[in-house]
Amino acid sequence: NAGVTQTPKFRILKIGQSMTLQCAQDMNHNYMYWYRQDPGMGLKLIYYSVGAGITDKGEVPNGYNVSRSTTEDFPLRLELAAPSQTSVYFCASSPDREAYGYTFGSGTRLTVV
Amino acid sequence: DQQVKQNSPSLSVQEGRISILNCDYTNSMFDYFLWYKKYPAEGPTFLISISSIKDKNEDGRFTVFLNKSAKHLSLHIVPSQPGDSAVYFCAADNQGGKLIFGQGTELSVKP
Repeated sequence: NAGVTQTPKFRILKIGQSMTLQCAQDMNHNYMYWYRQDPGMGLKLIYYSVGAGITDKGEVPNGYNVSRSTTEDFPLRLELAAPSQTSVYFCASSPDREAYGYTFGSGTRLTVV
Repeated sequence: DQQVKQNSPSLSVQEGRISILNCDYTNSMFDYFLWYKKYPAEGPTFLISISSIKDKNEDGRFTVFLNKSAKHLSLHIVPSQPGDSAVYFCAADNQGGKLIFGQGTELSVKP
């Protein structure tokens, strides 16, 4: 049982490049989330999804896009990377709307230079 | 606008003593509060939670206290163990599963 799997674990991007952070869960959870954690700060919600085909913005969505074509996968897309997007990105899933059911992935550390 | 604040970036305690981690919030509409524990290079893991209708919840060595009038919650760990050394995040549930996190407190438990 893998839980929530994030790939890659590390990535260095040049300004203006694009990339997709992958997130997959094998627990058949309906709810999935993307958070970012900047140094010395708490996690901030970027986007979330309550089921396949349904996504919505969180607190800091600018510069990102998401899609949810299946229950298992919730990729996060960065179109034009900027230094302000240097952060650690965490994907999480939950079986329902109750937050104590969250399972987090181990994170993707992204550096934009 | 930081709705959830953890004002102590770090805390150091001796093994066997009590660890008290604090968290303040500004929005009285939050209906659920949670504590997460995070080790380096790992994602946060759920530790303990409390509903806004309660003032205390206990799970083994971990107890969370909620003071709604002061908009303050605290996590008590008794007795503290070296394996408890980690970063602890306080979070508030904002509208059904969307969490607002504090900045985190790094706890170091020394043998």
